[in-house]
Amino acid sequence: GENVGLHLPTLSVQEGDNSIINCAYSNSASDYFIWYKQESGKGPQFIIDIRSNMDKRQGQRVTVLLNKTVKHLSLQIAATQPGDSAVYFCAEKRTGGYQKVTFGTGTKLQVIP
Amino acid sequence: NAGVTQTPKFRVLKTGQSMTLLCAQDMNHEYMYWYRQDPGMGLRLIHYSVGEGTTAKGEVPDGYNVSRLKKQNFLLGLESAAPSQTSVYFCASSRGQIRGNSPLHFGNGTRLTVT
Repeated sequence: GENVGLHLPTLSVQEGDNSIINCAYSNSASDYFIWYKQESGKGPQFIIDIRSNMDKRQGQRVTVLLNKTVKHLSLQIAATQPGDSAVYFCAEKRTGGYQKVTFGTGTKLQVIP
Repeated sequence: NAGVTQTPKFRVLKTGQSMTLLCAQDMNHEYMYWYRQDPGMGLRLIHYSVGEGTTAKGEVPDGYNVSRLKKQNFLLGLESAAPSQTSVYFCASSRGQIRGNSPLHFGNGTRLTVT
């Protein structure tokens, strides 16, 4: 499951600092957005989601912000830990029956101990 | 719960060979999916199933077939492998339609190389 060969944008963060990972989505008809974490050799893991009728949602150490005006999504990780090192990508889903979720290509988060 | 289990983890095929990727989930989920992940691209949906005995095409279905004979299993077949099918394949499942109370659960992937 590792993204071998991908030249992903990389965010390097000192352990204990906050991380902000950004994502631009494409479809104004999307009504549901998800953030995934993918560690090397593993499948994507659900982190947090948000519906289009919200602009902020908080989880444990994570916050997702949604700005529909500029079609922008961000993931904030508080007090970043070495275990947070992974590729993070956002996904958007349009209203409707077809199970089409459009996934972004991801940002690699490197946590410096 | 093992969640979503994929076999094999790695496979190398020669062009023209066939193989089946196996996916099993123990969460009693209705929906199952096959995605491929390629460098520089987001996950792309190959085929999906909304219940036992049903299958539907995703965005990149050509060259693949699927079957969902049992609720817990979703098989992805390559009848005549091509180098363009070199990829990492992920199986996923969800309780129902993808939404807040029904997120996607992924397996750990199968890395397939076609030479």
